[in-house]
Amino acid sequence: NAGVTQTPKFRVLKTGQSMTLLCAQDMNHEYMYWYRQDPGMGLRLIHYSVGEGTTAKGEVPDGYNVSRLKKQNFLLGLESAAPSQTSVYFCASSPSTVRPQHFGDGTRLSIL
Amino acid sequence: AQKVTQAQTEISVVEKEDVTLDCVYETRDTTYYLFWYKQPPSGELVFLIRRNSFDEQNEISGRYSWNFQKSTSSFNFTITASQVVDSAVYFCALSDLSSGSARQLTFGSGTQLTVLP
Repeated sequence: NAGVTQTPKFRVLKTGQSMTLLCAQDMNHEYMYWYRQDPGMGLRLIHYSVGEGTTAKGEVPDGYNVSRLKKQNFLLGLESAAPSQTSVYFCASSPSTVRPQHFGDGTRLSIL
Repeated sequence: AQKVTQAQTEISVVEKEDVTLDCVYETRDTTYYLFWYKQPPSGELVFLIRRNSFDEQNEISGRYSWNFQKSTSSFNFTITASQVVDSAVYFCALSDLSSGSARQLTFGSGTQLTVLP
């Protein structure tokens, strides 16, 4: 059972470069989420999706864009990476907003 | 205002001791959900428990127990007879509607638990 798979697991970027993080889930969940985890701050919601073709902003959306073209995939894009975006990024999915979220293993992103 | 407060940043205990992790939350919703997640050193997030605001029954699962008290807006987590494998960061989280039109999960800042042999 793959569950939630994040690609890549590690990445180093230079300031100004762009990249896309991929999240794929095989549980047919409607809801998908992107979080960032920084030391001492827990997880903060960047963007989320309540179904295929939909996206919405979370607590810290600036500098990120997302797309949900297929139900099983949720992409997180950084158009022009900044050192402040150095973080561990987690993707999660759930069948509903009141059910537990299933998390991927995270992507460690460093912006130099 | 912080919605989920985990005041204990780090806790260190010796194996077999009992330990309680505190969580205090804030919401204006009458219907909400509380969660605990565990993040071991390997980094993944593991779901432990969910409670809804209408169910104040305490729950016990093996060495783990949870005490939910609406009167004090607290949802505390106790590990009995702690083991080295319990060492992890534990997150309390709240799902409510006060952040927008859809329920969002708000995490506390986490408590790093270290169990020493």
